[in-house]
Amino acid sequence: DGGITQSPKYLFRKEGQNVTLSCEQNLNHDAMYWYRQDPGQGLRLIYYSQIVNDFQKGDIAEGYSVSREKKESFPLTVTSAQKNPTAFYLCASSGDRGRETQYFGPGTRLLVL
Amino acid sequence: AQKITQTQPGMFVQEKEAVTLDCTYDTSDQSYGLFWYKQPSSGEMIFLIYQGSYDEQNATEGRYSLNFQKARKSANLVISASQLGDSAMYFCAMSQIKAAGNKLTFGGGTRVLVKP
Repeated sequence: DGGITQSPKYLFRKEGQNVTLSCEQNLNHDAMYWYRQDPGQGLRLIYYSQIVNDFQKGDIAEGYSVSREKKESFPLTVTSAQKNPTAFYLCASSGDRGRETQYFGPGTRLLVL
Repeated sequence: AQKITQTQPGMFVQEKEAVTLDCTYDTSDQSYGLFWYKQPSSGEMIFLIYQGSYDEQNATEGRYSLNFQKARKSANLVISASQLGDSAMYFCAMSQIKAAGNKLTFGGGTRVLVKP
């Protein structure tokens, strides 16, 4: 079955530590996205990538970094510069030309120890 | 800049009844898309329905329909014959069609609780 997978489901970060969230899709979609969701709020865009080896900052990119070396993969690194990283992180992809519907993975919950 | 407003933080609905979730948007673009997503307690975002700004007819997908009023800039979601499994958060979102990145702007969400 085609879909988007994210791992791990839960992730714990210590102070000053970088952590990487995985996102993989087998939908053959060109575009991929990372969103952050804080409790009781909507989603905010961190980074997005329309094609391999290219990505752009979203609305809240500070303290995060990404790479897009393969079409299927778009990992997100939460760096120590992100002072408030506790949140729910959702990865999405789209490839339906025209409406560009985004389909989401199950998410990763990041907690700071 | 685009903005999505969902004014209903939470709603109760009786099982088998219909419920309307409000969504208003603000954009200066002529070409855009409107989406509704469902987020159960497990957290995943489930795509429900899409409406393009140039679509003349309201979108429908099973028990979901989108009441699109372009002049009023509203895109309300109607869920007919509510089921217990419809209890979840619902988010309205908007994209700029063909713009770089097709970024989605989300509203703050409405929590729906279906009562048996």
